[in-house]
Amino acid sequence: QQPVQSPQAVILREGEDAVINCSSSKALYSVHWYRQKHGEAPVFLMILLKGGEQMRHEKISASFNEKKQQSSLYLTASQLSYSGTYFCGTETGNTPLVFGKGTRLSVIA
Amino acid sequence: KAGVTQTPRYLIKTRGQQVTLSCSPISGHRSVSWYQQTPGQGLQFLFEYFSETQRNKGNFPGRFSGRQFSNSRSEMNVSTLELGDSALYLCASSQGTTFPRELFFGEGSRLTVL
Repeated sequence: QQPVQSPQAVILREGEDAVINCSSSKALYSVHWYRQKHGEAPVFLMILLKGGEQMRHEKISASFNEKKQQSSLYLTASQLSYSGTYFCGTETGNTPLVFGKGTRLSVIA
Repeated sequence: KAGVTQTPRYLIKTRGQQVTLSCSPISGHRSVSWYQQTPGQGLQFLFEYFSETQRNKGNFPGRFSGRQFSNSRSEMNVSTLELGDSALYLCASSQGTTFPRELFFGEGSRLTVL
């Protein structure tokens, strides 16, 4: 079942912070975050494992709340290069990675 | 190390035709997954292959099929194309099938059906 991402889109000015949420109705083993820039391939950012620690990628961090089956991606002091569509992908076991519909992030000067 | 290569990058077909898309994974990667990306729907899982065997299949009609060769290269085929098949088809490779696994995506094949 496809995880639900929110918000669908967000516009930030450089230096502002944002949070993107990803939730599932199923018990999750892991949550993956990818970023896709316009016309490019999705690129892996990080994996959060059940029972694992919060992860970071540059100024982007994420957490995984096992009780709520929810993950949040935190973008701090956003830069123009952060613009793109962010996808969360979830694994519930030995199953394919299932992605949400994405959150479009636009950072403006 | 070369990334995932997909060909062709762009193609235009008409309804009723068929199309074959190709994917060469990263050297050493034995697992290949295919996703369909359309505006507003995100990435929809099509199928996954490992060692020439289909391990998982998404909720797509039988017109969508795929295969993997002994060198791990993969192809997917869509027969009797419909307008709704217009999409970006992404291929992703990974080293194995045990989870969690990082997927490496190609830039995709953009299919337009007229």
